[in-house]
Amino acid sequence: GENVEQHPSTLSVQEGDSAVIKCTYSDSASNYFPWYKQELGKGPQLIIDIRSNVGEKKDQRIAVTLNKTAKHFSLHITETQPEDSAVYFCAASLSGGSYIPTFGRGTSLIVHP
Amino acid sequence: DSGVTQTPKHLITATGQRVTLRCSPRSGDLSVYWYQQSLDQGLQFLIQYYNGEERAKGNILERFSAQQFPDLHSELNLSSLELGDSALYFCASSVLGQGDGYTFGSGTRLTVV
Repeated sequence: GENVEQHPSTLSVQEGDSAVIKCTYSDSASNYFPWYKQELGKGPQLIIDIRSNVGEKKDQRIAVTLNKTAKHFSLHITETQPEDSAVYFCAASLSGGSYIPTFGRGTSLIVHP
Repeated sequence: DSGVTQTPKHLITATGQRVTLRCSPRSGDLSVYWYQQSLDQGLQFLIQYYNGEERAKGNILERFSAQQFPDLHSELNLSSLELGDSALYFCASSVLGQGDGYTFGSGTRLTVV
C-alpha cells in the first residue's frame, strides 16, 4: 500500500519567515495530494490540494509543489503569522476510486511573534 | 463550523465498557469516514461508508464496528474498551467518497480509565 513520510515533525520559525514542509510518497499511482491544517482542539481542515497533472498551486501565502518523478510534494507558507501555528498533515490518494488517503505523521508548526 | 457534527465531544469510560460515537455528515455528502488519532500513530483510517454501505475498511479492530443509517448519519461502536483505545476519533465526510478532500468534524476525545 501507500506510504507517506513527512518531515520535519516540528518546525519553529519567527513571524514573517517562510516555512516548508516536505512529504514523500511511495505509490506512483497516487494522483491527489491534499494538505490539512489542524488547530488545537479542532479537526483537520483542508487548506490546499494538488493533482498530479500540475506542478504547483498557490493560494495567497500558501503554495504546494509536486515532483512526480521524485515522488515528493511540499507545502510552502510565506510571511508566516502566529495564527499559522498548528499541525499540518499531508496525504496521498488516488482520486476517482475508493482509494483511501494515506496521511503523513504531521508537522507541528510554531510561529513565534 | 465545518458542517460535520460529532457527538459527544468528550467521553470518559472504564475498561471493558462499550461506547457509541455519532457523526452527522455535511449536508449533501454521501460518504462518511472514521479515523482514530493518537499521539504515536497519527491519523489511522478505520472504515468508510457510502450511502449506507460499507465501502472500505482499514485498521479497525474486531471490537469496533460502525454503520451508516438511511439519513446518512453514522455511528462508531467501540466495545470491550482497553486503555490503548484512548484517542481522538474523527469523522469526515465527502460528496462521492472518491478519495478527494474530506471535511472533518471536531472529533470525540475518548478516555478509557
